[in-house]
Amino acid sequence: DQQVKQNSPSLSVQEGRISILNCDYTNSMFDYFLWYKKYPAEGPTFLISISSIKDKNEDGRFTVFLNKSAKHLSLHIVPSQPGDSAVYFCAASAGSSNTGKLIFGQGTTLQVKP
Amino acid sequence: NAGVMQNPRHLVRRRGQEARLRCSPMKGHSHVYWYRQLPEEGLKFMVYLQKENIIDESGMPKERFSAEFPKEGPSILRIQQVVRGDSAAYFCASSLDLGRSSTDTQYFGPGTRLTVL
Repeated sequence: DQQVKQNSPSLSVQEGRISILNCDYTNSMFDYFLWYKKYPAEGPTFLISISSIKDKNEDGRFTVFLNKSAKHLSLHIVPSQPGDSAVYFCAASAGSSNTGKLIFGQGTTLQVKP
Repeated sequence: NAGVMQNPRHLVRRRGQEARLRCSPMKGHSHVYWYRQLPEEGLKFMVYLQKENIIDESGMPKERFSAEFPKEGPSILRIQQVVRGDSAAYFCASSLDLGRSSTDTQYFGPGTRLTVL
């Protein structure tokens, strides 16, 4: 039962262009969403998050959009840089569970070409 | 302020042996989570602990796996009688509270890569 899905295993973009990573979820109880970035042999690094009371959150080059009716969120990276090449995971949690446990997608490998 | 520490970084065990994975949360964090990442998959939640208490173990296999977070010392994930299918990367995360805001999020350690021969 994959409650959080990242349907694109990989994405390749040119340096300076926009990277758009997508994520879908099925559990309507999810109300907090996060994006993590992961390099090989390292732990995930927090990038940006969004609460379900918002539809957009921006932090520098990173913007997360949330469409609750479609149960869809996306991460935009503008402009993309070679150092952004990594695996990106979206994750979700449900406040009703009274734990902070995160449900992760399978990840999307982003490659930014110089 | 040191981040989340995990040791060992790499652990090799033979089938039937025990594996002990340790996690020291960030200073001031009292909430600890363990996740497992199998090859080519995302991270799967295993267990959530606060000091001396297991709060949510809904992701833990029913047998051979246990976790603790004592009053003093690191959190321990223990796997008894390991099998080849236990080979994975095990990540620990910590947070100040439930980790559900931009000022309180889950920070991850570098992981322990367990290989069962």
